[in-house]
Amino acid sequence: SQQGEEDPQALSIQEGENATMNCSYKTSINNLQWYRQNSGRGLVHLILIRSNEREKHSGRLRVTLDTSKKSSSLLITASRAADTASYFCATDAQAYSGGGADGLTFGKGTHLIIQP
Amino acid sequence: DAGITQSPRHKVTETGTPVTLRCHQTENHRYMYWYRQDPGHGLRLIHYSYGVKDTDKGEVSDGYSVSRSKTEDFLLTLESATSSQTSVYFCASKGSSYNEQFFGPGTRLTVL
Repeated sequence: SQQGEEDPQALSIQEGENATMNCSYKTSINNLQWYRQNSGRGLVHLILIRSNEREKHSGRLRVTLDTSKKSSSLLITASRAADTASYFCATDAQAYSGGGADGLTFGKGTHLIIQP
Repeated sequence: DAGITQSPRHKVTETGTPVTLRCHQTENHRYMYWYRQDPGHGLRLIHYSYGVKDTDKGEVSDGYSVSRSKTEDFLLTLESATSSQTSVYFCASKGSSYNEQFFGPGTRLTVL
């Protein structure tokens, strides 16, 4: 079953605007990660936030984590046409067993379209 | 990006035939993973490896087997391919327990 669920499923904004995507998950996690996937391509890692962190920045990206609500958000500021892609949140699969070897559990993604 | 390659990149096969997909990484990463990506499901974990000859099942392991005889190679085998295994398969690796995974470019498999 899906651990993470992104919201919204699709988002279309104008270039230069900010884009916010949300992710909810079900079980305890060690960390939460966000990935980008351009159409027909592999996944690119964007940012990792650990369970004891509340906010993290990387360039135009800002990620927040609220473990009490089991939710995270990804903010992309000053969006560009090149940001058009699908964005996935992923959590380490503590649901299977302990330790860091288990694979990630992904949501279904948010498809972001930046209109020029 | 980590050096992860997958082969083949595209494959069309018939129901009932065996298929092996290869993942090769040059980062000396300990952990390797196979996922499949289907519309409406996102990525789902098939199998993973936490060292040479050490593997375990993921969420959707039925119909798949894996092998890891060398650190750099992780093979995914469909013993008898079925149409439900038509998908895009991604390999990933990571170096330590709680860090990010790096993904390969994917293999698009079509089972007729």
